[in-house]
Amino acid sequence: AQKITQTQPGMFVQEKEAVTLDCTYDTSDPSYGLFWYKQPSSGEMIFLIYQGSYDQQNATEGRYSLNFQKARKSANLVISASQLGDSAMYFCAMRGGGGADGLTFGKGTHLIIQP
Amino acid sequence: DAGVIQSPRHEVTEMGQEVTLRCKPISGHDYLFWYRQTMMRGLELLIYFNNNVPIDDSGMPEDRFSAKMPNASFSTLKIQPSEPRDSAVYFCASNEQGRNQPQHFGDGTRLSIL
Repeated sequence: AQKITQTQPGMFVQEKEAVTLDCTYDTSDPSYGLFWYKQPSSGEMIFLIYQGSYDQQNATEGRYSLNFQKARKSANLVISASQLGDSAMYFCAMRGGGGADGLTFGKGTHLIIQP
Repeated sequence: DAGVIQSPRHEVTEMGQEVTLRCKPISGHDYLFWYRQTMMRGLELLIYFNNNVPIDDSGMPEDRFSAKMPNASFSTLKIQPSEPRDSAVYFCASNEQGRNQPQHFGDGTRLSIL
């Protein structure tokens, strides 16, 4: 069975600082994908970034980057130069395992950016 | 491009009533997913379809829940009879073929069963 663990229920960060949100995963499938989503207080789910298990490079999308450490089974999200609008819930998710296509989500991290 | 469209956005109904949630995926997407989000259990996959065919419904809580996808542009999730513990936000998501393709979520339906 797949499992995603996010150990930080909540974080407070000063505006303009970099943020690292932790995510560890467990799977026996050699082929899998890792996703990060943002859920603002308005409730929608916004896709941020993707990392494939066979990707050699860490994924980057604008201010978002993924620190992928395969041996440690971790896929931490890094947000550079945080902004007030980054305040939201952040979910790490995994797809994979026996051809299953649904996402397994972590419990999320509630990030609050302070001015 | 239009995103995933869900209706209604909010639904309040009494226990025992039938509830139907609707979803229109993004045009051209081969996969459609239904998720449920609660405080206690987080985000859970209920069922997903590939090319309108149900592939995995192991997450459907019980027989009161059913889902259909009669064509590529429409899916329903039905609860009959509804119970207070079904109260949650229900999301529909879709993606293109390819394991690296992100799932695009609708805005969700906030369901309250009284």
